[in-house]
Amino acid sequence: EAQVTQNPRYLITVTGKKLTVTCSQNMNHEYMSWYRQDPGLGLRQIYYSMNVEVTDKGDVPEGYKVSRKEKRNFPLILESPSPNQTSLYFCASSRGLAGNEQYFGPGTRLTVT
Amino acid sequence: QQQVKQSPQSLIVQKGGISIINCAYENTAFDYFPWYQQFPGKGPALLIAIRPDVSEKKEGRFTISFNKSAKQFSLHIMDSQPGDSATYFCAPYYNQGGKLIFGQGTELSVKP
Repeated sequence: EAQVTQNPRYLITVTGKKLTVTCSQNMNHEYMSWYRQDPGLGLRQIYYSMNVEVTDKGDVPEGYKVSRKEKRNFPLILESPSPNQTSLYFCASSRGLAGNEQYFGPGTRLTVT
Repeated sequence: QQQVKQSPQSLIVQKGGISIINCAYENTAFDYFPWYQQFPGKGPALLIAIRPDVSEKKEGRFTISFNKSAKQFSLHIMDSQPGDSATYFCAPYYNQGGKLIFGQGTELSVKP
């Protein structure tokens, strides 16, 4: 089954404790992206990757890191999480550029206390 | 920078009625206009999309109307069903920057 998977689905952590949210897709897509969803703000892009070893900032990259060492994986790293990073996070992938249909993962709900 | 404005924020429609959601944009470089549908606890999924060379696209009960001069596009759901209850996002795209720009979302509730 073609899908985007994220882990963990739920995470509660404390300020400053480094964490990684994993994202993997099995569709051989070139483009991958991370979004955060907050009430009233829609989805805002954090980082995106056009292909392996090619990443770039989205609209809200502060406090986040990413890497793209393999085509299928695109982990999101929070080196020192803060309460304002409490949010619902989605990973997405698409064939070619983002202008093609994006396939979203199930989401990761992160709470930073 | 508010590039995309979606309205209304929430919408309640009776079963069988027509649901209309609007999206206004500023950037004339947008060249792909999708609507995404999101059910509670799930990620968004593409519902229907249009390119700017046509003014309307229909897929089943779902229609996109596109008005290039007004910089607006809208989603019409005919014969709305309770199973259509979800949050809908417009997400226009332009090549530069390689990203979708999501609207704020519209929470649709279809009452039986």
